[in-house]
Amino acid sequence: DQQVKQNSPSLSVQEGRISILNCDYTNSMFDYFLWYKKYPAEGPTFLISISSIKDKNEDGRFTVFLNKSAKHLSLHIVPSQPGDSAVYFCAAGSNFGNEKLTFGTGTRLTIIP
Amino acid sequence: KAGVTQTPRYLIKTRGQQVTLSCSPISGHRSVSWYQQTPGQGLQFLFEYFSETQRNKGNFPGRFSGRQFSNSRSEMNVSTLELGDSALYLCASSLGGDSGNTIYFGEGSWLTVV
Repeated sequence: DQQVKQNSPSLSVQEGRISILNCDYTNSMFDYFLWYKKYPAEGPTFLISISSIKDKNEDGRFTVFLNKSAKHLSLHIVPSQPGDSAVYFCAAGSNFGNEKLTFGTGTRLTIIP
Repeated sequence: KAGVTQTPRYLIKTRGQQVTLSCSPISGHRSVSWYQQTPGQGLQFLFEYFSETQRNKGNFPGRFSGRQFSNSRSEMNVSTLELGDSALYLCASSLGGDSGNTIYFGEGSWLTVV
């Protein structure tokens, strides 16, 4: 049972435009969410996170939106840059001292110069 | 501040052998988690240690084990290796103790079983 889903395996965006990556989850116990960026043969790099008590968190070019009622979150990257080309994973965790993350399957983002 | 360090980065083992992977967390981090990444299964949680105790465990067979030392460094061991164990093994660390901490990953150890 895939509790965290990224339904778009790939996405291509023109440089300078907005990239929107989506993620859906099914487990109501998840209450914090993270986005990671990953290059081949490297570990995931933390980008941004959001707690379930918020609906938006912004850090530079990256903004994460959370819609709890829809169990949906999205990552917006504006403006998109060639260096943003990578695989993006959303991950979900539950509080109560539990550091276990459940990951989506990833979306490969390609920024077209 | 040094990040999460994993050794070795690459290794090749023969089916039936065992392997030990090592992880040094970010200084001050007390929680260490291990994940397996394969093309077919994505990133799968193996287990998490906090203060030398296994606090959480994923759905992997008993051949996969780990431990954490008093300095928070961690090792994971896979015994009786199978071809399907070929994967990127990722270690992650966080402050632990409290909830909702950011979890930082190391570069990973690439294991190939032949």
